[in-house]
Amino acid sequence: GAVVSQHPSRVICKSGTSVKIECRSLDFQATTMFWYRQFPKQSLMLMATSNEGSKATYEQGVEKDKFLINHASLTLSTLTVTSAHPEDSSFYICSARDIQDQETQYFGPGTRLLVL
Amino acid sequence: QKEVEQNSGPLSVPEGAIASLNCTYSDRGSQSFFWYRQYSGKSPELIMSIYSNGDKEDGRFTAQLNKASQYVSLLIRDSQPSDSATYLCAVISSGSARQLTFGSGTQLTVLP
Repeated sequence: GAVVSQHPSRVICKSGTSVKIECRSLDFQATTMFWYRQFPKQSLMLMATSNEGSKATYEQGVEKDKFLINHASLTLSTLTVTSAHPEDSSFYICSARDIQDQETQYFGPGTRLLVL
Repeated sequence: QKEVEQNSGPLSVPEGAIASLNCTYSDRGSQSFFWYRQYSGKSPELIMSIYSNGDKEDGRFTAQLNKASQYVSLLIRDSQPSDSATYLCAVISSGSARQLTFGSGTQLTVLP
């Protein structure tokens, strides 16, 4: 089956530092990857859509200069949280859509970010 | 605004019973519908996808879609305690972005 990995699974950092999260599709190619954020007891909220070789599309209210997304290859997208603050602490989840199947999204295991 | 609505629950059923989870969506042009299961602290796991009206069965799971009523449901037969999780309904709405829109999820507890 389609497998998506994320790294790191958990990160604790000091306020003001930047954190990079990697999302990889392991056994398929993905022209499109998605980044979600989930706060406790809430559903997933789409942050941005990442397209290979082009600029990401950000949802309303998501600061593109704070959440930098790079999708340099068909199997890798990265999300960098710049100058992280405690309110950025959340569960960040990526998903990838198989180039062969434009309907189904496969989710990574998520990255739990805690900013002190 | 394109929305997906779910009863947040919690829904409790005894072990062995049928759990029924419901979802409505607002975008009449939606074509693709998914049910994901999310255990606490984990990311969503795809259970079922359904694209046409009617029922689709996979093991103990049955997804039902009624586009006229803009309604999609998930039935879990012979519920097990391991089915206890939050179930997320997701819809790919009309439009070129093909983004998933999630409901808020229904928390299911299966009591042993």
